[in-house]
Amino acid sequence: KAGVTQTPRYLIKTRGQQVTLSCSPISGHRSVSWYQQTPGQGLQFLFEYFSETQRNKGNFPGRFSGRQFSNSRSEMNVSTLELGDSALYLCASGGEVLAYNEQFFGPGTRLTVL
Amino acid sequence: KQEVTQIPAALSVPEGENLVLNCSFTDSAIYNLQWFRQDPGKGLTSLLLIQSSQREQTSGRLNASLDKSSGRSTLYIAASQPGDSATYLCAVRHFAQGGSEKLVFGKGTKLTVNP
Repeated sequence: KAGVTQTPRYLIKTRGQQVTLSCSPISGHRSVSWYQQTPGQGLQFLFEYFSETQRNKGNFPGRFSGRQFSNSRSEMNVSTLELGDSALYLCASGGEVLAYNEQFFGPGTRLTVL
Repeated sequence: KQEVTQIPAALSVPEGENLVLNCSFTDSAIYNLQWFRQDPGKGLTSLLLIQSSQREQTSGRLNASLDKSSGRSTLYIAASQPGDSATYLCAVRHFAQGGSEKLVFGKGTKLTVNP
């Protein structure tokens, strides 16, 4: 079974631009969560989707948005990029019983904002 | 607000040593606790998942315990090897306000196993 895949693996953008990251969960998984990882803040929860609906949202500004498609693939969008958005963005997929399921992470997308 | 703490932040041991990594959390209203390892610049690899009703889980040389009432978990690594060098993260699946759940992470313990 293939694991969680994320594209692209690396991105370099300039301030003010926008970016879209993609995540394909493990086949059969309908839950996708997104996290931001920085050296200072560690791993912080962005949002979680299940069956195309956003279930949970972390404390990030509205510039961060996401969506999930009918095939469970998810995209995350960041508009008006700031230097502080430079981070490793990780997505995780999980199975049916959300509260109890194991989370499996992708390799991440390294975003650098210049 | 759920907070997860991992002590120590870094640990260096000689090869072959048995070691324990610690994780504590402030709110015992959790569904489960999961241990991950992360190699530099990479994603997270799931090591062990313990449901809130369980006391421990084992996988190979790894053993994780959970004491929900005291808000603690430990990850025991037996006979450590240089390939175990990585950052180890624990995360709790927390019942948050509004009926939602989310994964709350500690900042990790960076383990170095010296040959």
